[in-house]
Amino acid sequence: DQQVKQNSPSLSVQEGRISILNCDYTNSMFDYFLWYKKYPAEGPTFLISISSIKDKNEDGRFTVFLNKSAKHLSLHIVPSQPGDSAVYFCAASVAGGSEKLVFGKGTKLTVNP
Amino acid sequence: GAVVSQHPSRVICKSGTSVKIECRSLDFQATTMFWYRQFPKQSLMLMATSNEGSKATYEQGVEKDKFLINHASLTLSTLTVTSAHPEDSSFYICSAREMTGPTDQPQHFGDGTRLSIL
Repeated sequence: DQQVKQNSPSLSVQEGRISILNCDYTNSMFDYFLWYKKYPAEGPTFLISISSIKDKNEDGRFTVFLNKSAKHLSLHIVPSQPGDSAVYFCAASVAGGSEKLVFGKGTKLTVNP
Repeated sequence: GAVVSQHPSRVICKSGTSVKIECRSLDFQATTMFWYRQFPKQSLMLMATSNEGSKATYEQGVEKDKFLINHASLTLSTLTVTSAHPEDSSFYICSAREMTGPTDQPQHFGDGTRLSIL
C-alpha cells in the first residue's frame, strides 16, 4: 500500500518557467510533509517542509502548498533553473519530523536551457 | 548546515561476506538515526530506527539478525549486513535528525552506500 504517491515519474520544463511537482497521500494521520532533492550517487537533500497546520510555506524559489482535504501537496519552483534538474521526493510523517518518513517514488525533473 | 557522512559509498563483495556501513552526524548529535533501502525506481523504504544506547526498532519484514544495527554514540550508527547474498544488493542510506531544537526538524541524509553482492 503506497501511502505517499508521486504519480508523475518525470517532468520536463523550460528554464525560467514554473515547475510543479505533485504528491498525494492516503494516511490522514500524516502531519508533517517534506520535499527532498536527489542527484545521482548522492543522498537526498532537504528542500522545504510544511506542517499540517499550514497550507503554504515559501523559501526563495520554492513554495510548498498543502491541501489537507484533498490529501495533496505540491512543490512549485519558479523560476526553474537547469541546476534544479534532479529527482524530487515527497515524504510524510506522523507526530512531527522525528518519526519515520514515508517516501513517494520520486519525480525526475529536467529543466532545459 | 547539518551534515551526515556515510561510508563506504560503494561495496562489491562475494556472497557470504558481512559488510559494515557507517553513518556519522558530523556537526550535530543524533539520538535517533534511520536506515533506509532503495531498490531501482522505487521509493526509499525505512528498514529500522536506530536509537542511541538501546536496541534498534525494525520495520515489518526486515530481519534483525540479517541487518545488525549498533548506535554506540550520539554521532555514529552502523549497519552490518551479515552473510550477504545477491538479493541484498541495493542502495542503503542513513539519515539523522538533530536532537535539539523544535521537533519538526527534517532528517538529513548521508550519500548512501551501493552494495553489490556477487
